[in-house]
Amino acid sequence: EVQLLESGGGLVQPGGSLRLSCVASGFPFSTYAMNWVRQAPGKGLEWVSVIGGNGYNTYYGDSVKGRFTISRDNSKNTLFLQMNSLRAEDTAIYFCAKDVVGSINAPSDVWGQGTMVTVSS
Amino acid sequence: DIVMTQSPDSLAVSLGEMATINCKSSQSVLYSSNNKNYLAWYQQKPGQPPKLLIYWASIRESGVPDRFSGSGSGTDFTLTISSLQAEDVAVYYCQHYYSSPFTFGPGTKVDIK
Repeated sequence: EVQLLESGGGLVQPGGSLRLSCVASGFPFSTYAMNWVRQAPGKGLEWVSVIGGNGYNTYYGDSVKGRFTISRDNSKNTLFLQMNSLRAEDTAIYFCAKDVVGSINAPSDVWGQGTMVTVSS
Repeated sequence: DIVMTQSPDSLAVSLGEMATINCKSSQSVLYSSNNKNYLAWYQQKPGQPPKLLIYWASIRESGVPDRFSGSGSGTDFTLTISSLQAEDVAVYYCQHYYSSPFTFGPGTKVDIK
């Protein structure tokens, strides 16, 4: 069964850092591009970042560019999101999502349940 | 950046009736070299992650009921639920994947009338 399991969320103070992880199983992880998508409480979906299967191609949403870094460890089937200089507006559920193909220009067909990040003093 | 808009914000439809959701992109998401529209539709129910319904604007994801259909090209797209069922109550999002950032529309909430 194809599965994604996020972890690493929690409460952090403004200006702080947090590293999210997403462990994948049930598919050849290195073959697929992976995304992070977030959803603030009661709000819509916001695309955050994508990384290609080989880890070389990365792209970010405007609101997180320069503060967040996406990476992956294909030997451990794990996706990461390093979040620095966190702001209150980064408070959200963070989902990892697998693209349907290896290209980053693709929709996401498998999603994790998400991990909650709360930025507050 | 490509901006996605959706209409209406919400709609209520009687069981068995048709529901239509519109999505518009600020620039074309049709890639001329392969004639594909880089547009997907997702369904999200409360407390759940999004579920992919439609991609390439009109291709139904495996396992999605055939009452869901997508149409449109270029900048204007439509998701149609031909005969609304109780389990279709959800928020529906369009998303383009033409060029980064791969923005979502604001969502359309569908309820039963």
